[in-house]
Amino acid sequence: EEKMMESGGGLVQPGGSLRLSCVASGFSMNIHWMSWVRQAPGKGLEWVAKINRDSSDKSYVDSVKGRFAISRDHAENSLYLQMEGLRVDDTAVYYCATEMWWRMETWGQGTTVTVSS
Amino acid sequence: QSALTQSPSASGSLGQSVTISCTGTSNDVGGYNYVSWYQQRPGKVPKLIIYEITRRPSGVPYRFSGSKSGNTASLTVSGLQAEDEADYYCASSAGDNNVIFGGGTKLTVL
Repeated sequence: EEKMMESGGGLVQPGGSLRLSCVASGFSMNIHWMSWVRQAPGKGLEWVAKINRDSSDKSYVDSVKGRFAISRDHAENSLYLQMEGLRVDDTAVYYCATEMWWRMETWGQGTTVTVSS
Repeated sequence: QSALTQSPSASGSLGQSVTISCTGTSNDVGGYNYVSWYQQRPGKVPKLIIYEITRRPSGVPYRFSGSKSGNTASLTVSGLQAEDEADYYCASSAGDNNVIFGGGTKLTVL
């Protein structure tokens, strides 16, 4: 069974940092473009960032540019999201997802990030 | 960039059909054939149900269908079942590698 599991979420103060991880099992993440999508409490989905197979191409939603960095590790079959300068409005469940042609195919279970003082 | 526009709610009776719309611009929905739809049941992870406007992933019932006209994409659920009660989100390519989602529509099955 193809599964992905996120980790690294938690409670952090405004201005703080977190590193989210996403590990795949049952398949190789390496052949996929990968994205992070978030969902604020009671709100809709928002695409956050994506990375291509060899990490040469990365894209971000405007609201996180310069603060978040997406990366991946083929050996670990993993995806990461380094988040700096966190703001209250970054509070959300963060999902990793395999992406093909702008569609999110397989989703992880999500990890919750809460930014609050 | 603003989210694609979806009505906040929709409803239909068991067995009926309901259509959910998703309106964007020529820079996203109208400009690309990469429109997808996701179903999110309460407390669950989103699930891809339509991609490239009309295509269904393996295992998604034929009751779910998609279409597009101009800057508006639509999802139709035919023969409504109780299990179809969920939030539905559209998404589209928005140029370069960007993806934009709609605000979501809560579907209630009466």
